[in-house]
Amino acid sequence: RKEVEQDPGPFNVPEGATVAFNCTYSNSASQSFFWYRQDCRKEPKLLMSVYSSGNEDGRFTAQLNRASQYISLLIRDSKLSDSATYLCVVNVLNTGKLIFGQGTTLQVKP
Amino acid sequence: DAGVIQSPRHEVTEMGQEVTLRCKPISGHNSLFWYRQTMMRGLELLIYFNNNVPIDDSGMPEDRFSAKMPNASFSTLKIQPSEPRDSAVYFCASSLSTGQNQPQHFGDGTRLSIL
Repeated sequence: RKEVEQDPGPFNVPEGATVAFNCTYSNSASQSFFWYRQDCRKEPKLLMSVYSSGNEDGRFTAQLNRASQYISLLIRDSKLSDSATYLCVVNVLNTGKLIFGQGTTLQVKP
Repeated sequence: DAGVIQSPRHEVTEMGQEVTLRCKPISGHNSLFWYRQTMMRGLELLIYFNNNVPIDDSGMPEDRFSAKMPNASFSTLKIQPSEPRDSAVYFCASSLSTGQNQPQHFGDGTRLSIL
C-alpha cells in the first residue's frame, strides 16, 4: 500500500464548478500536511498547508481528518487557470521528509 | 529574490556516461532535498541534507548515485555510470529547516535522458 494515495483522475469539470479531491495516508504518526500544485512540465509549488481545524484560502478549502487519515481539497468556482495536477503531501514525524502522492489531475473546460 | 537554481535544465547523454546535476538553494535555507519524478513512480525523495550534512539517503536507488553538499550554497547529484532507467526529471528543493510546516521550494528541475 502506498503511503499517500490519491485518485489520479483526470477530473474534467466546466468553469465555475466546484470540485473536491481526496487523499488518504497510511502513517498515523504523520504530523504535517500540504497540498502542492504542479503545472505540466513545471516544478511543484506549495498551494496551502492543511491544519487540523481546516483552513481556507480564497476559493480553496483544505480539511484534515486525523481519525480517518484523510485529507481533502475543495476548489470552488473553478477557473481555467486551475488546470494542473494537485499533489497531496505528508510530513512524517517532522523529519523534513515529505511523502508525495501521485497527484490528481484537474482539467477545467470553458 | 532568486529561487532554487538548478543546472543543467536538460541533459541528454549516452548510457555509461557520468552525469552531474547541480543545485543552488535559496540563500538562508538550511535544508536541501533531491527528488526524482517519473510517470510510473511519481515524485520520490532521494536524499536530503540539513546544514550541509546528509540526513537520510534511503531513497538513493543504488551505489551509482551519490550526492554532496560541500557548502551551504551548493549541492551536486552524480550518477556514474548512467543507465536508461535513470531517465527522469530531477528536482532540487530547499527549505528554511526541517521543522513542522516548513514549505519546500523547488527548482525548475533537470530533465535527464539517458540513451
